[in-house]
Amino acid sequence: ETGVTQSPTHLIKTRGQQVTLRCSSQSGHNTVSWYQQALGQGPQFIFQYYREEENGRGNFPPRFSGLQFPNYSSELNVNALELDDSALYLCASSPRGGTLETQYFGPGTRLLVL
Amino acid sequence: GESVGLHLPTLSVQEGDNSIINCAYSNSASDYFIWYKQESGKGPQFIIDIRSNMDKRQGQRVTVLLNKTVKHLSLQIAATQPGDSAVYFCAENNRGGGSQGNLIFGKGTKLSVKP
Repeated sequence: ETGVTQSPTHLIKTRGQQVTLRCSSQSGHNTVSWYQQALGQGPQFIFQYYREEENGRGNFPPRFSGLQFPNYSSELNVNALELDDSALYLCASSPRGGTLETQYFGPGTRLLVL
Repeated sequence: GESVGLHLPTLSVQEGDNSIINCAYSNSASDYFIWYKQESGKGPQFIIDIRSNMDKRQGQRVTVLLNKTVKHLSLQIAATQPGDSAVYFCAENNRGGGSQGNLIFGKGTKLSVKP
């Protein structure tokens, strides 16, 4: 069984640029959630995708967008990067997106915005 | 704001001792709770979970206790080892909010194990 994988591991961008982060869900899981974790903080929910549709969104502006593909992998896109977007971006997968399901996390992508 | 918080930001224990990490939650509608362990530079790792119809659940060296009356959650680690050193987060499912399916995390407790 393959766990959640993310790419790239690290990324450096400048303010105003755009970035795409990628995630492959754990085998057998059709739901992917994205979280932002600032240094010294707990993860904050960005949005969730279930069967290629957005299935919930946290308090993040529209410049944070996502996609889920038929193989359940997912992308997180961030436009017009700001310095405060510097964080660890975590992807988590779960079997069916239910509220009583465990979410399993990937290693994250560390984004630095200069 | 966050509805899940932790009582102690840091905890230092001697190797072999038991550790107790506490967590308070504010949403009485939450019915699923998870403890995660996060080592430096890694993603959160699932430790143990509990549903609101239970008061206690045990795993290997870990026990989670849930007190719904005071909305309190704790993680007990028996015979703490150096490999247990990490930041521990409790998380609750978001029930009744506009963003179904997500977890709400607290800030975390850093556990340091002294040899």
